[in-house]
Amino acid sequence: EDQVTQSPEALRLQEGESSSLNCSYTVSGLRGLFWYRQDPGKGPEFLFTLYSAGEEKEKERLKATLTKKESFLHITAPKPEDSATYLCAVQAYSNDYKLSFGAGTTVTVRA
Amino acid sequence: GAVVSQHPSWVICKSGTSVKIECRSLDFQATTMFWYRQFPKQSLMLMATSNEGSKATYEQGVEKDKFLINHASLTLSTLTVTSAHPEDSSFYICSASLWEGTDTQYFGPGTRLTVL
Repeated sequence: EDQVTQSPEALRLQEGESSSLNCSYTVSGLRGLFWYRQDPGKGPEFLFTLYSAGEEKEKERLKATLTKKESFLHITAPKPEDSATYLCAVQAYSNDYKLSFGAGTTVTVRA
Repeated sequence: GAVVSQHPSWVICKSGTSVKIECRSLDFQATTMFWYRQFPKQSLMLMATSNEGSKATYEQGVEKDKFLINHASLTLSTLTVTSAHPEDSSFYICSASLWEGTDTQYFGPGTRLTVL
């Protein structure tokens, strides 16, 4: 069974204070690892897909990296509008494009 | 591009009634759509996979007679919660992939269901 563990559960940052979120996964045959952002009361918003170890993707202040056992989401010089819950999900070749989600990391950025 | 909508955004109903939630892909055709539910402070749990023109595939523990899914066209899937009870109160979210064989799912804004 696919397992996704995200840490920390919650992260409080000062504006401009860079940090990283961790997503550890166990999956039989990784098709892709996904990062989403979810604001309260909204559906998840797609951020990145990573397919193979060593791959990196960037979008504004966010950068996602992937190893064979975990992924990191780096937030550089965060702003209050980066406050959200960040969800990590994995998709296995054996699982018909289904996503298995972690519990998420809730990031709060104070001005 | 890749916009998914849901209707209604919130609904309140009495116990024992049925509620229908629509999920539409607005600017693309979606062969496959997914339905999730999310309880407060928890992550998304997949309920079922919906394929256009065929029966939905339900995850273990999800009652298919209670959560009826219909995927009548390439842009519309519906979830009907039948004989709703307070324990069915939750946040229901759908997602869609751009085309069959594509891995990225794009999510709708969600529907908040409250059963009194």
